[in-house]
Amino acid sequence: EDQVTQSPEALRLQEGESSSLNCSYTVSGLRGLFWYRQDPGKGPEFLFTLYSAGEEKEKERLKATLTKKESFLHITAPKPEDSATYLCAVQAGAGNNRKLIWGLGTSLAVNP
Amino acid sequence: DTGVSQNPRHKITKRGQNVTFRCDPISEHNRLYWYRQTLGQGPEFLTYFQNEAQLEKSRLLSDRFSAERPKGSFSTLEIQRTEQGDSAMYLCASSADRVLAKNIQYFGAGTRLSVL
Repeated sequence: EDQVTQSPEALRLQEGESSSLNCSYTVSGLRGLFWYRQDPGKGPEFLFTLYSAGEEKEKERLKATLTKKESFLHITAPKPEDSATYLCAVQAGAGNNRKLIWGLGTSLAVNP
Repeated sequence: DTGVSQNPRHKITKRGQNVTFRCDPISEHNRLYWYRQTLGQGPEFLTYFQNEAQLEKSRLLSDRFSAERPKGSFSTLEIQRTEQGDSAMYLCASSADRVLAKNIQYFGAGTRLSVL
């Protein structure tokens, strides 16, 4: 069965302290891996999509990478406004349905 | 605002009552998804529309749940005879069926349901 696992569950950083979040997946026929940010009481906000091993995407302090088994979200010199839950999701399998299979998320807190 | 719009944002109801939520997707997006999310969990897929056709329903979706997208634009999700276990955030997402759209799903702010 398709599965997405994120670690750590929670992470507390000091402002400026870089770190990485992990998303490992076991799916048959990966069609895409997606990173979203979710603030409390809001819907997920799209950050990145990656399609093939070796691919990298960057946006401000965030960089996402993909291998055949996992993805990393690197956060460089985080600021308090980066505090949120970061969700990883995959699309897999054949067919028309592009439903997302989600991990449980990593709750990130950045202290000033 | 051209994003995904969901109404109401919050709904409090008594057990046994029926509730209906509405989702207005990004215009020209032909795919529409409903997900459910409980605290500390990732979203769970409920159902999917391509235009007006409902093409897949999760086994999570009991027969108390029904969704429609009558003209291929907005969608409604109805829950009949609500139970306390239905309390959750109901999320709607839409995407475009074009190669350049890259299957990216854009989410609304959600409807938070509390069943008392």
